[in-house]
Amino acid sequence: AQTVTQSQPEMSVQEAETVTLSCTYDTSESDYYLFWYKQPPSRQMILVIRQEAYKQQNATENRFSVNFQKAAKSFSLKISDSQLGDAAMYFCAYRETSGSRLTFGEGTQLTVNP
Amino acid sequence: DAGITQSPRHKVTETGTPVTLRCHQTENHRYMYWYRQDPGHGLRLIHYSYGVKDTDKGEVSDGYSVSRSKTEDFLLTLESATSSQTSVYFCAISGQGAGNEQFFGPGTRLTVL
Repeated sequence: AQTVTQSQPEMSVQEAETVTLSCTYDTSESDYYLFWYKQPPSRQMILVIRQEAYKQQNATENRFSVNFQKAAKSFSLKISDSQLGDAAMYFCAYRETSGSRLTFGEGTQLTVNP
Repeated sequence: DAGITQSPRHKVTETGTPVTLRCHQTENHRYMYWYRQDPGHGLRLIHYSYGVKDTDKGEVSDGYSVSRSKTEDFLLTLESATSSQTSVYFCAISGQGAGNEQFFGPGTRLTVL
């Protein structure tokens, strides 16, 4: 079974600085999708960014970018110019190309200090 | 926001009582999911549906059953609630295709005393 691991239960960053959240996963598949979701205190799950495994180029969405290392099975999220509104729980998730279900990591609680 | 609602939003019940949570969507998406969220575990899939009357188990399905008689509604039932089922429950929907985003409902906080 696929597993997703987030080894940092908590992270903190100063406002306007850059922070990187780590995620590793285990799979025998060659094609799949990876996602980062954000969960603010409102509890709403919000998609931040997605990456298709067959694409070499790292995905970018405004201040959010990923470092996708397929051979190492690593999928980290970089948040640049951190803002107070970025404070949230962040979840990494995996999905097979042929499947429909998501497998989530344990989450990383990000604190942004003013 | 995707048209997905959950009811109730909060519920407190006693051990041994049946509980049904409802997920309703207005997006006509094929796939619907029930997850539970617990500290240190992220979100774990309970059951999912890939069409009316078509459901399958997730990784933590014991003690839960589901039904989907209409495209828009997906029900999660705890036949006899236990304290270990105290959790936050999320419903999600998605279209067909692994790259499609899953849209999540607002969650239901269930406490079993």
